[in-house]
Amino acid sequence: SQQGEEDPQALSIQEGENATMNCSYKTSINNLQWYRQNSGRGLVHLILIRSNEREKHSGRLRVTLDTSKKSSSLLITASRAADTASYFCATEAGGTSYGKLTFGQGTILTVHP
Amino acid sequence: GAGVSQTPSNKVTEKGKYVELRCDPISGHTALYWYRQSLGQGPEFLIYFQGTGAADDSGLPNDRFFAVRPEGSVSTLKIQRTERGDSAMYLCASSLKPSGGPDTQYFGPGTRLTVL
Repeated sequence: SQQGEEDPQALSIQEGENATMNCSYKTSINNLQWYRQNSGRGLVHLILIRSNEREKHSGRLRVTLDTSKKSSSLLITASRAADTASYFCATEAGGTSYGKLTFGQGTILTVHP
Repeated sequence: GAGVSQTPSNKVTEKGKYVELRCDPISGHTALYWYRQSLGQGPEFLIYFQGTGAADDSGLPNDRFFAVRPEGSVSTLKIQRTERGDSAMYLCASSLKPSGGPDTQYFGPGTRLTVL
């Protein structure tokens, strides 16, 4: 079953604009990760944020995590047409769920040149 | 180095047939995962191997699904008596899985299974 929900389900912006995607989850976690998927093929890992971290940056990506609200956001700044893809958040819980990722349903991002 | 590879990239079969999907992880990665992704959905966990053993197979939907990793490297996902509802993208991932630490899973390109 899916762990959480992503919002919005689809996002359409112009090149150069910023894109923000949100993810909510249900159970306590060890870490949260964001992945990108092009054209229904394999997923590419973007960034991992641990449960004791609040914000993390990688290039044009900024991820925040609010464990009290069980939510995360992914910000892509100065978007490019090549950023067009589906973006998924995934959580790794502890205990018996150690090792497995639980994904959200994804946000489809379209960046128009 | 080479990434995770999966074969075949596409598999079309008939209802009731048996299929095998293969995953070659990144060399040296001890952990291997199988996920299934239906159209418009996020991937769903099937099974996780640490070395040769299945550490967590809680995501396998029923006993028609089975996976092995006999030498701790290549893994095969086996589906018996396929049903149309098994049609999906099957994704494999591998990771180093440091003890107790956070971990990045590296995904293969997937096998798209279509059951007619």
